[in-house]
Amino acid sequence: AQSVTQPDIHITVSEGASLELRCNYSYGATPYLFWYVQSPGQGLQLLLKYFSGDTLVQGIKGFEAEFKRSQSSFNLRKPSVHWSDAAEYFCAVASSGNTPLVFGKGTRLSVIA
Amino acid sequence: NAGVTQTPKFQVLKTGQSMTLQCAQDMNHNSMYWYRQDPGMGLRLIYYSASEGTTDKGEVPNGYNVSRLNKREFSLRLESAAPSQTSVYFCASSPGTDAYEQYFGPGTRLTVT
Repeated sequence: AQSVTQPDIHITVSEGASLELRCNYSYGATPYLFWYVQSPGQGLQLLLKYFSGDTLVQGIKGFEAEFKRSQSSFNLRKPSVHWSDAAEYFCAVASSGNTPLVFGKGTRLSVIA
Repeated sequence: NAGVTQTPKFQVLKTGQSMTLQCAQDMNHNSMYWYRQDPGMGLRLIYYSASEGTTDKGEVPNGYNVSRLNKREFSLRLESAAPSQTSVYFCASSPGTDAYEQYFGPGTRLTVT
């Protein structure tokens, strides 16, 4: 069965610093991968997705993620973090066989001045 | 185009009371989902409906029932609320279940005393 691991429960970065959030997945075939963001008190919003093709995908709000098959990873990056990026971030992998997305447990990002 | 809407936004119940959480989407999506979110637990799937007329259990279905009323609406019922069901509940929809991104509602915060 598919699974997603987000190794970091909580990360704190300084405003203006770069960010990398880790995501590892377990899936036999080429996966469909997603990153979502959840601001406090809000629902989840899609940041970006990878289906095929270029392994570096661009998303909204200046985020990007790189699919690395050899490492079974899909890490999320941003070159310069803004205070408004403080939120919880979820990685998800699509399955096959008419079953829903599998979500990681999330990484909470705090941004300090 | 409202996307995914949920009612109510907040609810307080006493142990043993029943209630129904309502969810509707206007994107003509086939699949709909109910999740609960608890601190440190990420998103856990309660039930989903791959298409109109079908429902399936997710990871944590005990204590809940669902109804896919039509293509637009998917309700979640708590027959006899328990304090362990205190949580934030999210509804989501997608064009299909497997390789599609999900669109989330704003959530319902439920407290059971």
